[in-house]
Amino acid sequence: GNSVTQMEGPVTLSEEAFLTINCTYTATGYPSLFWYVQYPGEGLQLLLKATKADDKGSNKGFEATYRKETTSFHLEKGSVQVSDSAVYFCALRGYTGFQKLVFGTGTRLLVSP
Amino acid sequence: DTGVSQDPRHKITKRGQNVTFRCDPISEHNRLYWYRQTLGQGPEFLTYFQNEAQLEKSRLLSDRFSAERPKGSFSTLEIQRTEQGDSAMYLCASSRGLAGGSSYEQYFGPGTRLTVT
Repeated sequence: GNSVTQMEGPVTLSEEAFLTINCTYTATGYPSLFWYVQYPGEGLQLLLKATKADDKGSNKGFEATYRKETTSFHLEKGSVQVSDSAVYFCALRGYTGFQKLVFGTGTRLLVSP
Repeated sequence: DTGVSQDPRHKITKRGQNVTFRCDPISEHNRLYWYRQTLGQGPEFLTYFQNEAQLEKSRLLSDRFSAERPKGSFSTLEIQRTEQGDSAMYLCASSRGLAGGSSYEQYFGPGTRLTVT
């Protein structure tokens, strides 16, 4: 079945550092890929998405490129801020059938001033 | 568009009691999903509605769980005879559906945190 693997956290960075959170997936066909962010005490918010190979999703300075050859969708940001501290979830939506999301276990990001 | 809302936000109950949660999706969204998130894990799919029809249920959804979406608007998730293992965050999401079966993005509510003592 479909699955998502994320790097373990927490990831601890200083403000303005470069961020990479790794995400790889296993799926049949051509899934759509997503990054969601969860701030403390809140629900999940869609951060960015990519629906086909080589697509780059971007939002709020975050980027991720859908790499079919490596089955990866790594999240990057050039300069993190304290306000980026949150849990980040990589997810996929299968190509066929109904449209449930399959999530990774999440990666906590802690950014210090 | 006020987003997906869930009620209550927190629920503490004793083992063996029944609980019911409500989800109000974004008004023009015809698809509604329930997920469960335990501490330190990503959300796991429970069930899915298109309009009022429940089209899929996960094996995680035991016989003690039931979900409804009367008239294709709000949805309820009921857990009967709660167990300590039911303690989790219950998330609701909604989306628009596209022709051919695909969907737009899912928008999540704030969740209902259930604690079973």
